[in-house]
Amino acid sequence: DIQMTQSPSSLSASVGDRVTITCRASQSISSYLNWYQQKPGKAPKLLIYAASSLQSGVPSRFSGSGSGTDFTLTISSLQPEDSATYYCQQSYSTPQYTFGQGTKLEIK
Amino acid sequence: QVQLVESGGGVVQPGRSLRLSCAASGFTFSSYGIHWVRQAPGKGLEWVALISFDGSKKYYADSVKGRFTISRDNSKNTLYLQMNSLRAEDTAVYYCASSGGGYYGAFHIWGQGTMVTVSS
Repeated sequence: DIQMTQSPSSLSASVGDRVTITCRASQSISSYLNWYQQKPGKAPKLLIYAASSLQSGVPSRFSGSGSGTDFTLTISSLQPEDSATYYCQQSYSTPQYTFGQGTKLEIK
Repeated sequence: QVQLVESGGGVVQPGRSLRLSCAASGFTFSSYGIHWVRQAPGKGLEWVALISFDGSKKYYADSVKGRFTISRDNSKNTLYLQMNSLRAEDTAVYYCASSGGGYYGAFHIWGQGTMVTVSS
């Protein structure tokens, strides 16, 4: 199975900061990497699919990049509503759609 | 409005069974593969099972293989998860989610989740 490792596990940043979360796959997954945002008590929400495609309705301050084994999610200017847990997921080695362990983002 | 709505969760004793449902609306349910994903309290997301658009292919995580069965009724726009021989470690919020349609396998539609608690 492909393992997904996110870093950091948690971080705290201020409004307006540029924030980067990384995700590493245990083997190449081409661009089959997705990012989700989950707020407490809510279902996950798709932000980015295919490594860099922004889901409809998601603010443009969110962006994704990478291919192969190394990927990043970037929030260009952090907003208070971005406080959440973020998960990466590989959809290359189906049907084992592995998720990363999550990154909890807090606003200072 | 595109949505998935889960139901059927509750408290059940270890070793007993429970069936979850996921009702779809606002999109062509029969065209998409549908997954179950679970999240134990305070933990991350775990993929559980997948059924193909026509129900002909089914896949399971090792942790539930042989105990859980995924099925669908496209005439009712409904997905099911039959959970047998439940264990304490199956305690989680269970979400249904849809993939496909040009999203490179990403789960683009999620339900709100239903809580399953396995406890004596």
